[in-house]
Formats: sequence, structure tokens, C-alpha cells
Amino acid sequence: RKEVEQDPGPFNVPEGATVAFNCTYSNSASQSFFWYRQDCRKEPKLLMSVYSSGNEDGRFTAQLNRASQYISLLIRDSKLSDSATYLCVVILTSNNNDMRFGAGTRLTVKP
Amino acid sequence: NAGVTQTPKFQVLKTGQSMTLQCAQDMNHEYMSWYRQDPGMGLRLIHYSVGAGITDQGEVPNGYNVSRSTTEDFPLRLLSAAPSQTSVYFCASSYLGDSYEQYFGPGTRLTVT
Repeated sequence: RKEVEQDPGPFNVPEGATVAFNCTYSNSASQSFFWYRQDCRKEPKLLMSVYSSGNEDGRFTAQLNRASQYISLLIRDSKLSDSATYLCVVILTSNNNDMRFGAGTRLTVKP
Repeated sequence: NAGVTQTPKFQVLKTGQSMTLQCAQDMNHEYMSWYRQDPGMGLRLIHYSVGAGITDQGEVPNGYNVSRSTTEDFPLRLLSAAPSQTSVYFCASSYLGDSYEQYFGPGTRLTVT
């Protein structure tokens, strides 16, 4: 079983739609969680951290469910510019080198 | 402030050749790392460094060497290229600690024939 699993998609949604991605992780002791965004043929960039209490940044909401070992990302009112691959990242311990990346979920927002 | 830079952007090697991928950052980050990204897989850590003179292996270190003589530079050496090393390579840097954002370079697309 992979340490971090994501539905690869692709998710094809119209502009204005709400879309949600889930990511599951296998190590219950995992400490930190993030969503990164990767545009086609570009480098990953941090989108947002995921806190136990959930957090929101504009149209983006991230949630953590430790009991079920998954994190989620909700995008409301999708824009064309949201088209990208979204990477789930889990840090197993307090060390940078214990980052584990999911393979990513591809989103395409269509006019 | 250039962030994380990588050279070259593209490279084609023949099996058995060696080469060095360059990575530099100007943010005074202690932590630097190299990842490879393959289709259908998450980024996998090759080697990392927590400061000048200190390096360690990640998940997939075989066939690669690194050194960290300065805070700024973290080159990755392919000793004898193999087709299995065809991939996109990303260098990243951050402050030490799990809560800090990783900054990635633009990547190097390597093909080994």
C-alpha cells in the first residue's frame, strides 16, 4: 500500500463548480499535512497547510480527519486558472526528509 | 531574489555517461533536497542535506551522489546513467522544521537512452 494515495483523476469540471479531492495516508503517526499545486511541466508550489481544525483560504478549504487518516481539499467557484495537479503531502515525523508526496490529482476547469 | 535555480533544463544522456545537475538557492535555507518525479508516482526523495558539509540518503539514493560544500549549492551527480533514471528532477530548499514551505526549482528533464 502506498504511504499517500490520491485519486489521479482527471476531474473535469465547469467554471463555477465546487470540486473536492481526498487523500489517504497510511501512517497514523503522521504529523503535518499540506496541499501543493503543480501546473503542467512546472514545479510544485505550496497551496496551503492543513490543520486539525480545518482551514480556509479564499475559495479553498482543507480538512484533516485523523481518525480516518485522510485529508481533503475543497475548491469552490472553480476558475479556469485552478486547472492544475494537486499534490497531497504528508510529513511522517518532525524531519523535512520524511515528506511523502501523493502522485497528484489532476483538475481541468472548462469554460 | 532568484529562489531555487536548476541547470540544465533538459538533458539527454547515453547509458553509462555521467553528469552533474546543478542546484542553487539564495534564501539562506539550511535544508536542501533532490527529488525525482515519475508518471503515476509521487515525488521521491533522492538525497538531502541539513547544512553545509552534511548530506544523507533519501528513499531512492542508488546511482546518485551529492555534496554540500556551501549553503547555497547542492549538486546531484549521476555516476553511470541508466534508462531507469529517465525522470524529472527537482531540487528544493527550506528552513529546517516540518512546518516550513518547500521551495522547488523549475526542474531538469533527463532522458537516458
